[in-house]
Amino acid sequence: NAGVTQTPKFQVLKTGQSMTLQCAQDMNHEYMSWYRQDPGMGLRLIHYSVGAGITDQGEVPNGYNVSRSTTEDFPLRLLSAAPSQTSVYFCASSAGTGGQVYYGYTFGSGTRLTVV
Amino acid sequence: EDQVTQSPEALRLQEGESSSLNCSYTVSGLRGLFWYRQDPGKGPEFLFTLYSAGEEKEKERLKATLTKKESFLHITAPKPEDSATYLCAVRSSNTGKLIFGQGTTLQVKP
Repeated sequence: NAGVTQTPKFQVLKTGQSMTLQCAQDMNHEYMSWYRQDPGMGLRLIHYSVGAGITDQGEVPNGYNVSRSTTEDFPLRLLSAAPSQTSVYFCASSAGTGGQVYYGYTFGSGTRLTVV
Repeated sequence: EDQVTQSPEALRLQEGESSSLNCSYTVSGLRGLFWYRQDPGKGPEFLFTLYSAGEEKEKERLKATLTKKESFLHITAPKPEDSATYLCAVRSSNTGKLIFGQGTTLQVKP
């Protein structure tokens, strides 16, 4: 099992460029999320999805777009990169609800993005 | 608003010196409290899920407990390989989002 696969692992962008961070999972998980992690800020939720065709905003959605056309893939698009978007980005997936409880997320290994 | 606060931010222990990490939370309808371990340069790795007050989970030298307002991660006789950042997160019935605390960075010296 590959689990959650993120590509690329490292990326350097110039201010104003756009790019897509890829995320794929092979566990047939319903839930998928994107987080960014910055020193002293912890993991902050950017966007999440509860199933194919359904997405919603997290804590810090500005400057990012997502779509969920399939269960397996959940790409994150940076529309016009800014230095403030320099961060480590994690994609995560989770099985759906088990009755009254939720399952934990499985995380990818991350994409380290630098915007200059 | 759902909120998670972890303390202390950093903890240094000698090998074999037991201690506890705290996770305080406010959430509208808890649907799970999660503990993760994160090593430098890697993604968080799942440790435990706790669902109701009074619940306890154990794994090797780690034991997680849950009350209505907080969770503790007890580390018994830690070893240097337990050095990592430990993250606490909650999921609520309102949103299904997973909200994280800022983490506790643990360093265990031999």
